[in-house]
Amino acid sequence: QVQLVESGGGVVRPGTSLRLSCAASDFSISNFGIHWVRQAPGKGLEWVAVIWFDGRNRYYADSMKGRFSISRDISNNTVYLQMTSLRAEDTAVYFCARSLIVPVGLTTTRSLDYWGLGTLVTVSS
Amino acid sequence: EIVLTQSPGPLSLSPGERATLSCRASQSVSSGALAWYQQRPGQAPRLLIYGASSRAAGIPDRFSGSGSGTDFTLTISRLEPEDFAVYYCQHYDMSGVTFGGGTKVEIK
Repeated sequence: QVQLVESGGGVVRPGTSLRLSCAASDFSISNFGIHWVRQAPGKGLEWVAVIWFDGRNRYYADSMKGRFSISRDISNNTVYLQMTSLRAEDTAVYFCARSLIVPVGLTTTRSLDYWGLGTLVTVSS
Repeated sequence: EIVLTQSPGPLSLSPGERATLSCRASQSVSSGALAWYQQRPGQAPRLLIYGASSRAAGIPDRFSGSGSGTDFTLTISRLEPEDFAVYYCQHYDMSGVTFGGGTKVEIK
């Protein structure tokens, strides 16, 4: 069955870097876009980044441009989120999720159909 | 940038009652780009509705979505105990995703 498993979270100092992984199973990431979404403790969902199915298009939330980088390894069916210059406000659970883009009638619908359980990143001195 | 404003917040209801949740976009959006998610405590979000009104696989028919332009609604016809959770609307265009702030449906 379709599954996404995040890893790589932990406690890090401000200003340091961390790389998160999102391992996909039962589907190929070469056919689907993959997003990172985060949730600070007690807060709502905040979109972070997406890498399209073709691997060429990557987009980021404005607040993370220049600090975060999304990439992928097709051979491992894994998507990564490289985070640099981490700040206390980056403390959150980081989820990865799969894009679902399907036509319904004359409209193309876009949503995130499968989500991982998340990995917690804590930035603290 | 599209801003999604959800209301009311929070919503206090009893099991068996009807819940009506609102999501308003700062400008007109394609219905295809609008989705709804449920998040229970300690769990990942779950897709409920995509394309504003299509139920995702395995979602009970007590959940329905409607709306167009700037105003969208998620309706839960009769609340079950497992429906008490936080609900988010989402807009997804070619360059990224925006979530609303969420509406918590709590037991009265």
